[in-house]
Amino acid sequence: GAVVSQHPSRVICKSGTSVKIECRSLDFQATTMFWYRQFPKQSLMLMATSNEGSKATYEQGVEKDKFLINHASLTLSTLTVTSAHPEDSSFYICSARDPLVGGDTEAFFGQGTRLTVV
Amino acid sequence: RKEVEQDPGPFNVPEGATVAFNCTYSNSASQSFFWYRQDCRKEPKLLMSVYSSGNEDGRFTAQLNRASQYISLLIRDSKLSDSATYLCKGRNAGNMLTFGGGTRLMVKP
Repeated sequence: GAVVSQHPSRVICKSGTSVKIECRSLDFQATTMFWYRQFPKQSLMLMATSNEGSKATYEQGVEKDKFLINHASLTLSTLTVTSAHPEDSSFYICSARDPLVGGDTEAFFGQGTRLTVV
Repeated sequence: RKEVEQDPGPFNVPEGATVAFNCTYSNSASQSFFWYRQDCRKEPKLLMSVYSSGNEDGRFTAQLNRASQYISLLIRDSKLSDSATYLCKGRNAGNMLTFGGGTRLMVKP
């Protein structure tokens, strides 16, 4: 089946630095990818929808200048957390929609990235 | 009222029990519904889509009740390995697919 690979799985960074997270669709072309954030014991909160070749659509309350999304190819989307602060520590998960699966099915998630800002 | 809402649980059930969770949604025009399973510190995995006519996959049955605006997930003959958080997904008022808060299930021996 289709696979989405997310890297890195875990990262610890110093406050004020930037962290880049990659999300790759390995055997299908994903025109749309989604970025979520999940705090402990809470549900996934959609941060933004990433469309290949165009600007990402951010959810209300998500700072687009802080969470930079680039979807330069049909198989890769990146999320950069700029000037990270301890409150940005969270579990970040991407997902990709396979256009061949059809409809709204969002079946393929990356393994997630656990970010800790110290 | 949250737009896609679930009882957070935890639901503690013995092995072999039948357990059901509901997920209410506020967008009456919503057509797409899904159930996911998420293990601790892992990504969600799609369990099943929910069709108007319901959907069954082995021990798992999903139903849609449009009149009362909720979907349900029934698990028969619970296994220890069913212990996880179950997330539903439906559309919010802005027509965006949104995850519920999740229901935690713990199956005890």
